[in-house]
Amino acid sequence: GAVVSQHPSRVICKSGTSVKIECRSLDFQATTMFWYRQFPKQSLMLMATSNEGSKATYEQGVEKDKFLINHASLTLSTLTVTSAHPEDSSFYICSASRGGSSNQPQHFGDGTRLSIL
Amino acid sequence: GESVGLHLPTLSVQEGDNSIINCAYSNSASDYFIWYKQESGKGPQFIIDIRSNMDKRQGQRVTVLLNKTVKHLSLQIAATQPGDSAVYFCAENLPGGGNKLTFGTGTQLKVEL
Repeated sequence: GAVVSQHPSRVICKSGTSVKIECRSLDFQATTMFWYRQFPKQSLMLMATSNEGSKATYEQGVEKDKFLINHASLTLSTLTVTSAHPEDSSFYICSASRGGSSNQPQHFGDGTRLSIL
Repeated sequence: GESVGLHLPTLSVQEGDNSIINCAYSNSASDYFIWYKQESGKGPQFIIDIRSNMDKRQGQRVTVLLNKTVKHLSLQIAATQPGDSAVYFCAENLPGGGNKLTFGTGTQLKVEL
């Protein structure tokens, strides 16, 4: 159990394009989903916490108008990188945790490699 | 973009040996800790977790040790196999943090045949 699917796995697009990434929990309901960004040989940096039915909570320094997050159901959260530029190229990873209690592990998708030309 | 010059700490072990990966966590109030394994091009995979009311927990071939006095966490892998080669991250959770995790810097484990 606890499978998280992320789509697409890789995107290559032109500068100025908006890109949407989907994160789905396949076999459990995820009250909370998280979006991370990871540069090569570095750790995961949390971008935002997404709670079903409410606005996302963004980490300091992350532009909420640049990285739009929607969590419309207990199994789906989306991250849209608006007007992407080369500096937005990175590995974006989502995770989901079951609701109901604290100290639940996060289960991760396999990431989206975003390359902006 | 890529940060030039950064590299992960690396641990090289012989196949069949035991591996010990260490992590210093930052917040003495953290009450839940997780070890993740990340293979190249993939998302982190849950390995084992431990709550702060414990100091040791064992899984299949893995053991996590928690020393709250010095804020230290370790992951022991018994009889290391080539498939164990990956980057390993520890993560900590603060109480009341809504399952939000803070990740360590990671350790690259290389298993030599």
